[in-house]
Amino acid sequence: GESVGLHLPTLSVQEGDNSIINCAYSNSASDYFIWYKQESGKGPQFIIDIRSNMDKRQGQRVTVLLNKTVKHLSLQIAATQPGDSAVYFCAENLAWGGSNYKLTFGKGTLLTVNP
Amino acid sequence: SQTIHQWPATLVQPVGSPLSLECTVEGTSNPNLYWYRQAAGRGLQLLFYSVGIGQISSEVPQNLSASRPQDRQFILSSKKLLLSDSGFYLCAWEVKGHHYGYTFGSGTRLTVV
Repeated sequence: GESVGLHLPTLSVQEGDNSIINCAYSNSASDYFIWYKQESGKGPQFIIDIRSNMDKRQGQRVTVLLNKTVKHLSLQIAATQPGDSAVYFCAENLAWGGSNYKLTFGKGTLLTVNP
Repeated sequence: SQTIHQWPATLVQPVGSPLSLECTVEGTSNPNLYWYRQAAGRGLQLLFYSVGIGQISSEVPQNLSASRPQDRQFILSSKKLLLSDSGFYLCAWEVKGHHYGYTFGSGTRLTVV
């Protein structure tokens, strides 16, 4: 469901390490998932997406893994850089009527990269 | 290309004053539009969404209202602000039926004092 009223989980890593951010989604009928990155004071930006007929998708330095059995999504960032410091949200896409879909966001994770 | 504009970027308003935040989308027509609020250190809370002119759905009962007077314009309003209305307000849009997620605006930081 939507993430309200809870402080964000945090992940602190050293520059150059790999980061793994996890997310549990709620609806087994969701067929599309997105990871967003939100830097301080800015709106969320699309990072990478994955459809439910896939279990892995790779982008530039990022990989998303989908495990539908346990309704789990993860974002892996390779060679984490200071510019990767941000809040990361996962989102699942649910149909809500006709051809409309509604994104439901996870809690978000604050990633801090230490130099 | 499509773009989304939100203004103002920051706003400080006294308790009890009215509010009007505006969001416009360019380069597309008949989008689905969304208003989200984000409290400091919190996640995203969906406030309103709209599938067309004059069509508004509310997710959370509260002190706020939304309107869509034109196809690509979405307005968030309040008649009397409360301290608890402080937060980061985000507008988002998506192409209807395309199932590709939302594009967010840059947000408005509202502080009610």
